[in-house]
Amino acid sequence: NAGVTQTPKFQVLKTGQSMTLQCAQDMNHNSMYWYRQDPGMGLRLIYYSASEGTTDKGEVPNGYNVSRLNKREFSLRLESAAPSQTSVYFCASSESVGGYYGYTFGSGTRLTVV
Amino acid sequence: QQPVQSPQAVILREGEDAVINCSSSKALYSVHWYRQKHGEAPVFLMILLKGGEQKGHDKISASFNEKKQQSSLYLTASQLSYSGTYFCGTDPPSSASKIIFGSGTRLSIRP
Repeated sequence: NAGVTQTPKFQVLKTGQSMTLQCAQDMNHNSMYWYRQDPGMGLRLIYYSASEGTTDKGEVPNGYNVSRLNKREFSLRLESAAPSQTSVYFCASSESVGGYYGYTFGSGTRLTVV
Repeated sequence: QQPVQSPQAVILREGEDAVINCSSSKALYSVHWYRQKHGEAPVFLMILLKGGEQKGHDKISASFNEKKQQSSLYLTASQLSYSGTYFCGTDPPSSASKIIFGSGTRLSIRP
């Protein structure tokens, strides 16, 4: 019962480096999301994919790109990392974008940009 | 659009009750509640879809006042396992059904 799997769990980047955060779900969910969590800020939506083949911006999309590779996988790319992108990143999935059965979250990726 | 949660933090002794509030400046289609323990992922507790709806399991319940654009989470006879940060997520019409989360309420339970 894997649910939502995120890799890597930890990452340290130098300013200007690029990287891709991977996310895969095995629940046959249609919708997938990327959130970032900063102390005192709650969870802020970066990008989401309502269904395979579609992606849309969330609250804080600047500096990020996403790819919905197939129904299972949704990746988040940082093209040129900045210290302001130091955060914990959570991927989530749900049956539909309204999440009427709730969102299932992955265990998170702790990213530090130095 | 971010919903406002109150209080920001609360400390209880085991067995005491707590209420966490979530309010929005916009009309809402639904309200989600999640709990996150330190260093872990948020876990879904429940969703309320209709005004006046109340739900609960075990000793955690919630209500949704659609007209007042707010929801409350009730924790009765709190247990140590209830410690964590509670987030509400709201779904206003302008959000295309994606959930916008509040900044969280940190709940600490002392023996």
